Amino acid sequence: QVQLVQSGAEVKKPGASVKVSCKVSGYTLTELSMHWVRQAPGKGLEWMGGFDPEDGETIYAQKFQGRVTMTEDTSTDTAYMELSSLRSEDTAVYYCATDRGWFDPWGQGTLVTVSS
Amino acid sequence: NFMLTQPHSVSESPGKTVTISCTRSSGSIASNYVQWYQQRPGSAPTTVIYEDNQRPSGVPDRFSGSIDSSSNSASLTISGLKTEDEADYYCQSYDSSNRRVFGGGTKLTVL
Repeated sequence: QVQLVQSGAEVKKPGASVKVSCKVSGYTLTELSMHWVRQAPGKGLEWMGGFDPEDGETIYAQKFQGRVTMTEDTSTDTAYMELSSLRSEDTAVYYCATDRGWFDPWGQGTLVTVSS
Repeated sequence: NFMLTQPHSVSESPGKTVTISCTRSSGSIASNYVQWYQQRPGSAPTTVIYEDNQRPSGVPDRFSGSIDSSSNSASLTISGLKTEDEADYYCQSYDSSNRRVFGGGTKLTVL
């Protein structure tokens, strides 16, 4: 079965970038469609983007377009999500999740704190 | 794009049945599948219902999902409530360009 293990917590200053990783085991990354979802403290789930196998491209939520980049390293079966121009509102737990038409499984989450 | 609206909170007693609604603001609820996720404090979400009414293996049959075109909404029903069902529940669907949309979440209290 698929297991997703994410990188550790990060603290960043406003204006910086963060890159979160998601290591896949049990399957190869090429067999999966990876998405990213974030959750601000005390708030709900927010979809950021992910790989759309129907057209073979990564699609992003309009809110993050131009500020987020999702990539994959198939040699290490690791997916990455990089968010730039960080602001305090980006403080959140960031999850990777495998898309099967529904998100399952999810990584354990990575807390990104943006603070001066 | 559309929104999915859920009640902020619901509460019910152990052993009872509770239903959480998820109303789509525009477009037909039936046009794209609806999923439901359970999230306990400090944990990642897990799927309790996918494709409107399908249960992943391991999810008890106390959990069921449905859609109602007349109200343009999806519902998650949990029967025989247990204290362990206390969690946040999120509905999720897609738009026409395959972008995912989450509801705002519902806090279920089992008291």
